[in-house]
Amino acid sequence: GAVVSQHPSWVICKSGTSVKIECRSLDFQATTMFWYRQFPKQSLMLMATSNEGSKATYEQGVEKDKFLINHASLTLSTLTVTSAHPEDSSFYICSAAQHGNINEQYFGPGTRLTVT
Amino acid sequence: AQSVTQLDSHVSVSEGTPVLLRCNYSSSYSPSLFWYVQHPNKGLQLLLKYTSAATLVKGINGFEAEFKKSETSFHLTKPSAHMSDAAEYFCVVSDVDSSYKLIFGSGTRLLVRP
Repeated sequence: GAVVSQHPSWVICKSGTSVKIECRSLDFQATTMFWYRQFPKQSLMLMATSNEGSKATYEQGVEKDKFLINHASLTLSTLTVTSAHPEDSSFYICSAAQHGNINEQYFGPGTRLTVT
Repeated sequence: AQSVTQLDSHVSVSEGTPVLLRCNYSSSYSPSLFWYVQHPNKGLQLLLKYTSAATLVKGINGFEAEFKKSETSFHLTKPSAHMSDAAEYFCVVSDVDSSYKLIFGSGTRLLVRP
């Protein structure tokens, strides 16, 4: 149980285009989902927290207009990287938590984004 | 503020020998502590977690960690390394001060020599 999927697993896009990454909780309802970014050989940095039906809360330094997060249902959150630039190339990982248990996050397999 | 320090960026062991990955934390309140493992280009898998119950926590794949409040440490150990243990390991802290968000350490890459 507690499986989280991400789609796509990898994507290449051109500078200036937008790309959407999906995060799904397959066998539980995720009231809270998190989006992380991981640079090569580095740790995970939290980008934003989203609660179902609410606007996402972004961490300091993360541009909310560039990284659009939507958490429209209890099983799906999306991250859209708008007007992508090469410096946005990274590994994006989502996690999901059930209501009342925000400590216990289940992680997706990640999405590798390359912007050319 | 909470923080996590993983004392070694790389640890190399021979297969069949013990593993020790060190982690120190800083937390104002009673923390929850976790160890996650990440294999190349994969997501994170929870190895074990401490949430104020028993101080010696047993996890999956033979790993365990001991919470030592006096030393503010949560080191990860395994008696005998296997080749499949080669991966990146993250020590993570969470408490009320961080609104229970996960604060990640910088990671330790475990290399297992045949």
